[in-house]
Amino acid sequence: KNQVEQSPQSLIILEGKNCTLQCNYTVSPFSNLRWYKQDTGRGPVSLTIMTFSENTKSNGRYTATLDADTKQSSLHITASQLSDSASYICVVSANRDDKIIFGKGTRLHILP
Amino acid sequence: EPEVTQTPSHQVTQMGQEVILRCVPISNHLYFYWYRQILGQKVEFLVSFYNNEISEKSEIFDDQFSVERPDGSNFTLKIRSTKLEDSAMYFCAILPFRGNEQFFGPGTRLTVL
Repeated sequence: KNQVEQSPQSLIILEGKNCTLQCNYTVSPFSNLRWYKQDTGRGPVSLTIMTFSENTKSNGRYTATLDADTKQSSLHITASQLSDSASYICVVSANRDDKIIFGKGTRLHILP
Repeated sequence: EPEVTQTPSHQVTQMGQEVILRCVPISNHLYFYWYRQILGQKVEFLVSFYNNEISEKSEIFDDQFSVERPDGSNFTLKIRSTKLEDSAMYFCAILPFRGNEQFFGPGTRLTVL
């Protein structure tokens, strides 16, 4: 069964600190993996997208990694800001035109 | 980045009433999708729409749901007889012609009383 599991479920850190969010998946065949940021009550916004051959992708203070062998991905946030408070969702696509599988997300809270 | 708008931003309706949620992509796209997110839960796939036909649908997308592009531009999701459990955020997403990444609209919050 195609699944995407994320950890931790929620995370609280102080402003300026770094953090890493985890994503494990069992989706097959694999097409790409994306990390989205979702502010409360808003639509998901794409942060990074990685295909099978990509190991890392950066977008400003966000750096995503992908290990296609172990089917794991991480999202590292550097020097966190208050505006980083949001849900971070790992999404895996089996095929380009197929429906995509969402993780439940990690709820990140940044404290001043 | 492709732009997608959704209307209304918030819809309140009585149980049993019909609602139509609209998605307006700024330019032409290959695939359209509807997702829903019940408060506190993960985003769930409802349906994908390609070339004016349903491409795939989930078990959630039962007979009370329908989608169409009435004027070749707007993309609508109709819920014929709303139930309390239909209360959720409904997101439209598009897949551009030369992309492999879906872009989401801001969502419509549906509240069924």
